[in-house]
Amino acid sequence: EDQVTQSPEALRLQEGESSSLNCSYTVSGLRGLFWYRQDPGKGPEFLFTLYSAGEEKEKERLKATLTKKESFLHITAPKPEDSATYLCAVRTNSGNTPLVFGKGTRLSVIA
Amino acid sequence: EPEVTQTPSHQVTQMGQEVILRCVPISNHLYFYWYRQILGQKVEFLVSFYNNEISEKSEIFDDQFSVERPDGSNFTLKIRSTKLEDSAMYFCASSELTEFNEQFFGPGTRLTVL
Repeated sequence: EDQVTQSPEALRLQEGESSSLNCSYTVSGLRGLFWYRQDPGKGPEFLFTLYSAGEEKEKERLKATLTKKESFLHITAPKPEDSATYLCAVRTNSGNTPLVFGKGTRLSVIA
Repeated sequence: EPEVTQTPSHQVTQMGQEVILRCVPISNHLYFYWYRQILGQKVEFLVSFYNNEISEKSEIFDDQFSVERPDGSNFTLKIRSTKLEDSAMYFCASSELTEFNEQFFGPGTRLTVL
């Protein structure tokens, strides 16, 4: 069974304190790993897609990386507006299959 | 920027009633999805839809659920006889038909079954 595990469940950072969120996965054949941001009561907002080990994507203070077993979302010098739940999801072998989501990491950035 | 829209934002219904949740996917997208998220839990896949038919569905998507694309823009999820446990956020998503494609999510409909 495909599994996606995110850690930590919650993370509290001071503004400017960089850190990383982890997403480990066990899937039959990875066809894409996706990072989303979700604000309370809202839909997931697409951030990044990663397809193969070694790939990296960056957007503002966020950088996503991928290995064969896990992905990291690095947050550099976070600001309070980066506070949200960050979701990792994978799509497996069959092309346009559904996404399998992790439970997310709830990030709080304190000014 | 194109976005997925959903209506209503909040639906309250009595147990046993039928509800229809509506979505307008991004206009050039060809694959459509419904997901749900029970409060405090992970986002769960319900159904995917392509070329006017269901392409995949989860165990959650039983005979009480149905989907339809009644016209060129709307995509609906119907729950025939709601149960208390159907209370959740329901998200519609859409994606372009390419080999590797991101799914873009709508803002969700919060369904409350009393």
